[in-house]
Amino acid sequence: GAVVSQHPSRVICKSGTSVKIECRSLDFQATTMFWYRQFPKQSLMLMATSNEGSKATYEQGVEKDKFLINHASLTLSTLTVTSAHPEDSSFYICSARDKENTEAFFGQGTRLTVV
Amino acid sequence: DAKTTQPNSMESNEEEPVHLPCNHSTISGTDYIHWYRQLPSQGPEYVIHGLTSNVNNRMASLAIAEDRKSSTLILHRATLRDAAVYYCIRTGAGSYQLTFGKGTKLSVIP
Repeated sequence: GAVVSQHPSRVICKSGTSVKIECRSLDFQATTMFWYRQFPKQSLMLMATSNEGSKATYEQGVEKDKFLINHASLTLSTLTVTSAHPEDSSFYICSARDKENTEAFFGQGTRLTVV
Repeated sequence: DAKTTQPNSMESNEEEPVHLPCNHSTISGTDYIHWYRQLPSQGPEYVIHGLTSNVNNRMASLAIAEDRKSSTLILHRATLRDAAVYYCIRTGAGSYQLTFGKGTKLSVIP
């Protein structure tokens, strides 16, 4: 199956700093990428949907100025958590799909800890 | 609203078949059924998907009821590596947005 690579897998940052998470589709062109957040013992919650070359669509309650998404190419999307606070500590997961498939492929996730 | 209902947890003995049920009684004619699974501290992994007919692949089989109001994911021989949370998700025609519910946590007993 298709491979989606997410980097870094773990990151610890200080409160008030920004963190960038990368999501790459390695062997296909991802026209659409999705970003999810998962708190401990909870399910994945969709944060935003991004299409290559256009602005991301954010879910209700997700601050677009805090969670900056850039999908500048067909193989790369980035999520930047700006001015991170301890409550932003979570497991962030991206997924991507291409034009040919109905299924989505997921990255391995990024564990963010804000101290 | 994930629009599907699954049991919170199930147990299976190793090397035995597992049938994971999913109820989607409000499904429309063009909705797909997808199954993903998530191992601890990993991103979800695609398992299988279908529309009307039963589907088979390397990982599992998907049996869809004739009225499409329910489906069953079948793991033919459970291994310890199959212990995960299994999510049953329906998507509308042309929609690729996956809405995750709580899923079923499958435990495999050696």
